[in-house]
Formats: sequence, structure tokens, C-alpha cells
Amino acid sequence: SQKIEQNSEALNIQEGKTATLTCNYTNYSPAYLQWYRQDPGRGPVFLLLIRENEKEKRKERLKVTFDTTLKQSLFHITASQPADSATYLCAISNDYKLSFGAGTTVTVRA
Amino acid sequence: EAQVTQNPRYLITVTGKKLTVTCSQNMNHEYMSWYRQDPGLGLRQIYYSMNVEVTDKGDVPEGYKVSRKEKRNFPLILESPSPNQTSLYFCASKEGQGMGTQYFGPGTRLLVL
Repeated sequence: SQKIEQNSEALNIQEGKTATLTCNYTNYSPAYLQWYRQDPGRGPVFLLLIRENEKEKRKERLKVTFDTTLKQSLFHITASQPADSATYLCAISNDYKLSFGAGTTVTVRA
Repeated sequence: EAQVTQNPRYLITVTGKKLTVTCSQNMNHEYMSWYRQDPGLGLRQIYYSMNVEVTDKGDVPEGYKVSRKEKRNFPLILESPSPNQTSLYFCASKEGQGMGTQYFGPGTRLLVL
């Protein structure tokens, strides 16, 4: 069956450090992968998209890697800040359907 | 302001009483979708629509209906709600039918007693 697995544990890190989140998938051949941020009680907000033929994508302090051989994406938040505290969702898409992982909750301590 | 709106935001109902959750977007997007979010399970797609009068099932369509008579609106209908449909529901839209960012609404929290 198809599965998308993200870090099962919440991530607690010190301000200024780098947070690294993992997204592993099985039985998908995604055309692209997306990362979203979700704050409590709110809808997800798009952060980054990476195509199957791209290895790495960056946006400000965010970096995403995509390894289709390992069937894994890594999401990095560098120089983390308390405002980065949220749940981060990995999503796999083949145009019409978007399938999400359960998310990883990140808490950044000041 | 570009946005996806949902109504109501909170709803308590009883088993079997038909309800409709409305969704509207002002971005002229062709694609719209409904998700439910449950603890530990993440977001699961219920139905999606690629354009007016074109809808298809997502991963968890049982117990739900949708319609797409106008481009901007995509209501979710629960004909006979049951307690296992208690959840947080999100509507989303995106431009075109290919790769693209999905814009999510604020969510509707539904409790079925």
C-alpha cells in the first residue's frame, strides 16, 4: 500500500540551530513533492515545491532535497527562530491528487 | 485579497441530519479539493474537481458528496452524517490541472453527535 511517513516524534530545537525533517514514501512515483506549514487551527500554507528531476531547492532559510532513489525528501530550516514553530507537512502529487504525510511538529526554543 | 473561504467554521450536529459545508475561492482556479484532517492520520483527500461539472473521488469519499456547478464554489455535502465524520475539514484550490500550489481555506471543525 502507499505510505508517506514523516518524523514520528516532535522536534524540539534551540533557536539558531538547524531543524531537519524527513519524509519517506513507498509505492509512489511522484512527479513532484511539496512542503507545507500548518499553524494550530489554520489551513496549511505552501512553502516549497521540488520536481522529481531536481535534487535541491532553496527559499530563504529553507532547503528541500529530493532523492527518488531513496524515496526520501529532507526539509531543513536553518538559523531557526521561535516563529518557525509549527507543524510541517510533506505532500506528494501526480497532478490531480495530493497525498499528505501526518506532519512533524517543530518547536523552537528561544 | 486572494482567498478560499469556508462556512461554517464550526458546526455541531446530530447523526443523520444532512448538512452542507460551503467553499468559495476568488482566484478563478480550475481545481478545487476537499480534505479531512484527523490526529495521527494527516490530511486525506475526499473529493476533487478539475473544472466545472468534473469531479472525482479522492482517498476517503464514502459518506460525502460534492458538486461543482460554478467555478468558484465547491460545496461538501454530508447526506447522513455519522460520528466517524467528526473531523477538521479543509477546502483547497489551485490554478490549472498540473503542478501547482494549493491554497487552503481556514477549515471547518465538525462534531457529529
